[in-house]
Amino acid sequence: QSVLTQPPSVSAAPGQRVTISCSGSSSNIGNNYVSWYQQLPGTAPKLLIYDNNKRPSGIPDRFSGSKSGTSATLGITGLQTGDEADYYCGTWDSSLSAGVFGGGTKVTVL
Amino acid sequence: QVQLVESGGGVVQPGRSLRLSCAASGFSFGRYGMHWVRQAPGKGLEWVAVIWYDGSRNYLADSVKGRFTISRDNSKNTLYLQMNSQRAEDTAMYYCARDSQPRDPRSGPTFDYWGQGTLVTVSS
Repeated sequence: QSVLTQPPSVSAAPGQRVTISCSGSSSNIGNNYVSWYQQLPGTAPKLLIYDNNKRPSGIPDRFSGSKSGTSATLGITGLQTGDEADYYCGTWDSSLSAGVFGGGTKVTVL
Repeated sequence: QVQLVESGGGVVQPGRSLRLSCAASGFSFGRYGMHWVRQAPGKGLEWVAVIWYDGSRNYLADSVKGRFTISRDNSKNTLYLQMNSQRAEDTAMYYCARDSQPRDPRSGPTFDYWGQGTLVTVSS
């Protein structure tokens, strides 16, 4: 059971928008920065969003992040077949004194 | 360019030890915090450990506390994970990852570069 809760899967047609939620508590998301990662099959994770809503260079603006209270959200617009992957949120949990990830969300492009 | 290359994985019997290494290049290794993250087959990401840029501080996940040790040698640009008393549930791909932020990782780590991973299988 992950400390951060994500939906197991989301899906949408090409060109549409999806959002992935990441729910936590005051000991993690509520008081720390959130980052998001994309993991394509058979590869290492890749940073998509950091500090709740910032994109590293090279990440298209189709990807966005937000945080409100103890929840964070990743948005993907203009969905492409290449976006099919697992997505993870992550942060630090001050009560556990440990890094934590969500269980991951599989994005399927219909 | 930034490169992280893990090594040392393999098949190990329950209760035995293994040491993983992560060789870093393309950046000033001694200026960054470093993490180990693992992923069991077909499962999600699990954070394992972090070590401060200068090795002065580290934290471990409860699941490995008392069995695993994280360390680094900044003169060799190398990160280590010493894994003792291995269990079947330690079977996973182990990734090293750089923390990009010049701040305390406890405010929210940011893993900006990852290695390709090294597979550890604990089995008799």
